[in-house]
Amino acid sequence: GESVGLHLPTLSVQEGDNSIINCAYSNSASDYFIWYKQESGKGPQFIIDIRSNMDKRQGQRVTVLLNKTVKHLSLQIAATQPGDSAVYFCAENKDGDYKLSFGAGTTVTVRA
Amino acid sequence: DTAVSQTPKYLVTQMGNDKSIKCEQNLGHDTMYWYKQDSKKFLKIMFSYNNKELIINETVPNRFSPKSPDKAHLNLHINSLELGDSAVYFCASSQSRGRAFFGQGTRLTVV
Repeated sequence: GESVGLHLPTLSVQEGDNSIINCAYSNSASDYFIWYKQESGKGPQFIIDIRSNMDKRQGQRVTVLLNKTVKHLSLQIAATQPGDSAVYFCAENKDGDYKLSFGAGTTVTVRA
Repeated sequence: DTAVSQTPKYLVTQMGNDKSIKCEQNLGHDTMYWYKQDSKKFLKIMFSYNNKELIINETVPNRFSPKSPDKAHLNLHINSLELGDSAVYFCASSQSRGRAFFGQGTRLTVV
């Protein structure tokens, strides 16, 4: 079936640098996308979302970019901090569906 | 107050046993879910309920039976547990198709 996937399983970032986490999706009917952060031993936590009628959305230190032409989603984290170390998932929702389809996740490690 | 709470957090049981995981949300959401996370961290939808009605049953063995007594609760009962059922199970809720809020997870280990 169609699914959302991430380009890289791991990402190592120097503290203070910017991080970019990428995600490719294949379902062109998806109209809602979410980034989640999962810390060890916890459930996924909402970071930021974006609807398909937008191509960029900014939060606190995070920005999500959506390129519908190439079905690509990215999460940018500014000034990465040790507390940003976690597994990051993108998820998609197709219009009419009551479920989120998750990609495999990217493990981000922040180096001091 | 915890928005989505599930119990127990850890569950160790023998093959063949029957067990239940409980989930409650206090967000007033109308949709609740069960997800399974395997050892590679992949999250997969199992069930989705909207206003207490089953909307999605994603090819889950019928040993798994969800029950939603009201919109705030979605419990998961598992019969005849198998080794392959070992995983982390997450309950979540959302308002319709909106942002889903997840519980802390239940780590199930079948021995």
